[in-house]
Amino acid sequence: GAGVSQSPRYKVAKRGQDVALRCDPISGHVSLFWYQQALGQGPEFLTYFQNEAQLDKSGLPSDRFFAERPEGSVSTLKIQRTQQEDSAVYLCASSLRSGVWDTQYFGPGTRLTVL
Amino acid sequence: QKEVEQDPGPLSVPEGAIVSLNCTYSNSAFQYFMWYRQYSRKGPELLMYTYSSGNKEDGRFTAQVDKSSKYISLFIRDSQPSDSATYLCAMKQNTGNQFYFGTGTSLTVIP
Repeated sequence: GAGVSQSPRYKVAKRGQDVALRCDPISGHVSLFWYQQALGQGPEFLTYFQNEAQLDKSGLPSDRFFAERPEGSVSTLKIQRTQQEDSAVYLCASSLRSGVWDTQYFGPGTRLTVL
Repeated sequence: QKEVEQDPGPLSVPEGAIVSLNCTYSNSAFQYFMWYRQYSRKGPELLMYTYSSGNKEDGRFTAQVDKSSKYISLFIRDSQPSDSATYLCAMKQNTGNQFYFGTGTSLTVIP
């Protein structure tokens, strides 16, 4: 079956531009996570959704970062007024259940480069 | 200090060698311990997870957790060139939604 997909795979933005990154989780998966992975680093948690509810956004680095999942399936991570330090791979992961540990399935990521 | 520490390597071994990968952590509340494999330009994929302390074996892979020392290990037996990837450890508390990842160790298995 289809895994987690993300688009675009690569995005180049000029500093100050707004970007929107899309995540299509595995169908039926309740939980959705966004991570930021800087070069040579492990993924860092950004935010978590249970269905359409954003239950944890403690990892979002600033108010320029905004995520939504309005119908409990596709999610969008938006970054306003991009800065060079936002350059990273943004990973999306989904899992079937919520409330307990469950296997997270990761997408291939969107590589964002801010010039 | 980061909550999870992992030696980034790189680590280079000959085919057939036993590989040992390790992570240390500072948060005694961590109860779930995971190992992920990440190939270049791909997302991480779960290899193994362990709840609390103990060992777990799956084929050529063995995961160990020593909570008293706050130390976890992944052993790969009979390493293959296809094992060449970055290996990430990750940890989670019983409550909350955050997974805490190490920086990853880059492994190359030379034929």
